Amino acid sequence: QVQLQESGPGLVKPSQTLSLTCTVSGGSISSGNYRWSWIRQPAGKGLEWIGRVSASGITRYNASLESRVTISLDTSKNQFSLMLSSVTATDTAVYYCARGVVGATAPGYWGHGTLVTVSS
Amino acid sequence: DIVMTQTPLSLSVTPGQPASISCKSSESLLFSDGETYLYWYLQKAGQPPQLLISEVSKRLSGVPDRFSGSGSGTDFTLKISRVEAEDVGVYYCLQSTQLPLTFGGGTRVEIK
Repeated sequence: QVQLQESGPGLVKPSQTLSLTCTVSGGSISSGNYRWSWIRQPAGKGLEWIGRVSASGITRYNASLESRVTISLDTSKNQFSLMLSSVTATDTAVYYCARGVVGATAPGYWGHGTLVTVSS
Repeated sequence: DIVMTQTPLSLSVTPGQPASISCKSSESLLFSDGETYLYWYLQKAGQPPQLLISEVSKRLSGVPDRFSGSGSGTDFTLKISRVEAEDVGVYYCLQSTQLPLTFGGGTRVEIK
């Protein structure tokens, strides 16, 4: 069964770049008709889809964040990553990585999530 | 973006009683391939969301049959036939018919 694990700094200063990695086990990130997403959830609030990368490396982003977001695959490490630039306090959230259900972006498997706080 | 509106915001249910959650989308979720990409998740405290129902009504393996999904177009419903203590948490609907994916605001279910 596929498992996902987020990693990265838990504290980022305002205006800097948030960088997270999702390590995938139990399956190859570059095979199959899967899409790999990042989703975030501010404390006590709802879920926001950030964007996704397909197994072939094609990316799609939420327009609300597109100017600041990069999602990429590292097939050699079976990982995918998120970079979010020019962060502010409003970017403070639990960040989840997820794998889509077959042939779709809707998440079927999720990582446990990692809290990222933006503060000086 | 497609706006997903869930009601009610919260629900307090006696064990063994039914519960129903509504999810309405601002546009039809019927895709050009004939499928409707509406999903239901349950997020328990301190955990990531877990997928319960895919494409309106397809229950995932291992999900109890007391959970059922229905609907079409813009109106969808998740029903729990007999609520159990383990069903507490926040339920979210999600559409992936159109990017960006958008979630409903969530419905908190608690036990009386």
